[in-house]
Amino acid sequence: DAEITQSPRHKITETGRQVTLACHQTWNHNNMFWYRQDLGHGLRLIHYSYGVQDTNKGEVSDGYSVSRSNTEDLPLTLESAASSQTSVYFCASSESTRGSYNEQFFGPGTRLTVL
Amino acid sequence: GQNIDQPTEMTATEGAIVQINCTYQTSGFNGLFWYQQHAGEAPTFLSYNVLDGLEEKGRFSSFLSRSKGYSYLLLKELQMKDSASYLCAVRGDYGQNFVFGPGTRLSVLP
Repeated sequence: DAEITQSPRHKITETGRQVTLACHQTWNHNNMFWYRQDLGHGLRLIHYSYGVQDTNKGEVSDGYSVSRSNTEDLPLTLESAASSQTSVYFCASSESTRGSYNEQFFGPGTRLTVL
Repeated sequence: GQNIDQPTEMTATEGAIVQINCTYQTSGFNGLFWYQQHAGEAPTFLSYNVLDGLEEKGRFSSFLSRSKGYSYLLLKELQMKDSASYLCAVRGDYGQNFVFGPGTRLSVLP
């Protein structure tokens, strides 16, 4: 069965360190998204990609970067982790097919703590 | 700007019916989605509306009024397992991006 996975599921790091969160999907979806979820804010879009070599900034992109070298993967990098980046991070993917719902499918999430 | 509002919390009794409202003001509209999210888990897709009216799917129904910027999710015959957060999301005119509301935490009591 097709799926979307994230790793690690839990991560504790220190302020100033570089951290990379992995996202891998086997749906063969063109669209991939990274969100963070914090109490009181819901899901906020960090970065997104509509295909290989395409990346775009979302609502809360400062301090984060992504790259898309193949269809399956969209790793999220925190260049220099800050305590304000402590959050739960969700990766999602979707089709872009005319006539379809094109709903987003979510990975299980990564809980990141920055000390 | 983009703004989506939902009630923060709701409580209902097992077997009852509950309606969760969502109002939105977005720069474009190309569909409204409802997701369910249990604590500590990923959101999962529940329903989709792009035209005005009611979409029914088993115990769950979703309604949309585009002119009013309003949707609701109706849950019938509530079960304990329906205790979760319910997220409203709007897709704008361009691209495939969603804007999510803050979510409504529903507690179903015996």
